[in-house]
Amino acid sequence: EAGVVQSPRYKIIEKKQPVAFWCNPISGHNTLYWYLQNLGQGPELLIRYENEEAVDDSQLPKDRFSAERLKGVDSTLKIQPAELGDSAVYLCASSLDYAGARDNEQFFGPGTRLTVL
Amino acid sequence: QQQVKQSPQSLIVQKGGISIINCAYENTAFDYFPWYQQFPGKGPALLIAIRPDVSEKKEGRFTISFNKSAKQFSLHIMDSQPGDSATYFCAAAIQGAQKLVFGQGTRLTINP
Repeated sequence: EAGVVQSPRYKIIEKKQPVAFWCNPISGHNTLYWYLQNLGQGPELLIRYENEEAVDDSQLPKDRFSAERLKGVDSTLKIQPAELGDSAVYLCASSLDYAGARDNEQFFGPGTRLTVL
Repeated sequence: QQQVKQSPQSLIVQKGGISIINCAYENTAFDYFPWYQQFPGKGPALLIAIRPDVSEKKEGRFTISFNKSAKQFSLHIMDSQPGDSATYFCAAAIQGAQKLVFGQGTRLTINP
């Protein structure tokens, strides 16, 4: 079974340019997450989707970041315009959540490493 | 309140030794404590997890010890192997493991 797929794996852009990351979750997983991982740090949640609905976007910098999950499957995270401080790894994760479940394991993709020059 | 503090930042252990990584949390509402393993160029992968109704959980060479009163939990890797060399993250969540709060990570190196 394929895991979480992310593309591109690496992206180098100049500041003020737009950039987009794509994620395809594990088939059947209804919950999708975007995380930011700075060098030497743990992942930090940016946004969580349950199907098509963004249920937690409190940590998403909405002035420059946007995300969508049309049809409740794959998702795109966009930054416009990018800043130097956005250089990081952007991780996507997915999980299968259902009523009554206690531990809904999150499966992570390999991430997209963004470098902003 | 939402922080999870992890130590040490880096750890070097000889092959066959015991690796110990510690985490502390503040929010007593946390009820799910997983450990993730991350290799370079890969995403984190769940290693082992515990809930506060037990004080210890063991899976193979990996053990989580949990101290609810001290609000601390630790990962023990027995008979550490070079293949265990990776970055380890503790995390905590409230109900259903949907919003994970990660520690800062520990870079573990096992010398052959």
